[in-house]
Parts: sequence; structure tokens; C-alpha cells
Amino acid sequence: EVHLVESGGGLVQPGRSLRLSCAASGFTFDDYAMHWVRQVPGKGLEWVSGISWNSGGIGYADSVKGRFTISRDNAKNSLSLQMNSLRAADTALYYCAKDMWGSPGAVDYWGQGTLVTVSS
Amino acid sequence: EIVMTQSPATLSVSPGERATLSCRASQSVSSNLAWYQQKPGQVPRVLIFGASTRATGIPARFSGSGSGTEFTLTISSLQSEDFAVYYCQQYNNWSPLTFGGGTKVEIK
Repeated sequence: EVHLVESGGGLVQPGRSLRLSCAASGFTFDDYAMHWVRQVPGKGLEWVSGISWNSGGIGYADSVKGRFTISRDNAKNSLSLQMNSLRAADTALYYCAKDMWGSPGAVDYWGQGTLVTVSS
Repeated sequence: EIVMTQSPATLSVSPGERATLSCRASQSVSSNLAWYQQKPGQVPRVLIFGASTRATGIPARFSGSGSGTEFTLTISSLQSEDFAVYYCQQYNNWSPLTFGGGTKVEIK
């Protein structure tokens, strides 16, 4: 069974940094692209970033480009999101998500999310 | 960035009726489009990928069509468990990926 468990969320002041992690299990991690998707409670979904199976392809939403960095460690079955220069607009529930394929496609599994609150 | 526009924002439908949801891309995404369903307090669930392929376990009453910039999700006969918010998403390379704003399907 696929499990995706996010960690690292919390309350942070504007301009500071936070690093999210996702521990994956139940599938061959290095076969699949992975994503971070965020959602303000009660609002819509926003794709944040994604990375291909071998880290050869990476993408970012325009809203986070230059501030966030995605990475993966296939040896440890883990996905990370380094978030710098955080803004109030980055406040959301951040989901780790598994792609159906090794390069960008639809998401077939989601974690339960980790909440990031950016506030002074 | 490719902008995905969903319409209508809210669709009021009676159980047993047909629901038609639309999604428009600001530029062609070929068939690189997925539909998701999200119920309150739950994570999204993929319904359709490749614009028209049902994901594993998705009932046949859900169907997707379209290519390029115009896409449609049809629910042929709404069941009580289908009342939810539906999102489309394009995944045309790492261009970046984008979601539509969602369509809420509510009971009429």
C-alpha cells in the first residue's frame, strides 16, 4: 500500500525558511515523478513543484520559482521542498503527491498534508 | 504558464441527472489532462487521465473527452456520492503544471 507522510510544517515568520519532507513507502520510489501541491483550506488546489524519477526534470509554479527548491533522495525514498523567503501567500496545506509515471503526469496518491502558516 | 479555466464554478444537479463540466486551457495541452474529485476533508482522487482514460476503480458513469484546449468531464447519472468539487489539471511537461479553479457539483 502506498504511503506518503509529510513533515516539517509549522508557523514561520515572513521572510524565513522552512524545509518540508515526505517519506514514501509501498512502491518503487525511483520509478515515479513526485510533486508538491498546496491548498488553502476551503480553496482550490495549486501545483507547487514536481521532479521526475531521476531528478532530470524539475518544474515550479511561477509563484514560487526562485524561492522554493525541490529535491529527492531515491536511496532514502524521500522528497523534500526547501522554502525560502516565505510570504503570507504561501500559507497552505502542503501535500506530497505521487505521479502515475516517471515524468509529469496525473497524481494517483496523496499524503495527508502538512500545514504551513506564514505569519508574524 | 498555462491557465486552466473551469466552468461553471457551481453546478446544481438533481440525483440521477447528467452533469457536464468544462475545462479550457489557455494554450494546447494535447491530451495531457486529468480530472480529480475532492470531497470535504479528503484528499483529491484522480478520475480521468490522458483526457479520457478512467483511472483504476472509477465507475463508468464518469467520462472525459476533448483535446488541445477544450475538455469535458461528464457524469452520466449523478449518485449521492458524486457531489463534490472537481478539478482539471494539465501536465504538459514541466511547463509548469496547473490546476483549474474547480467546479462544485451540488445537490439541486
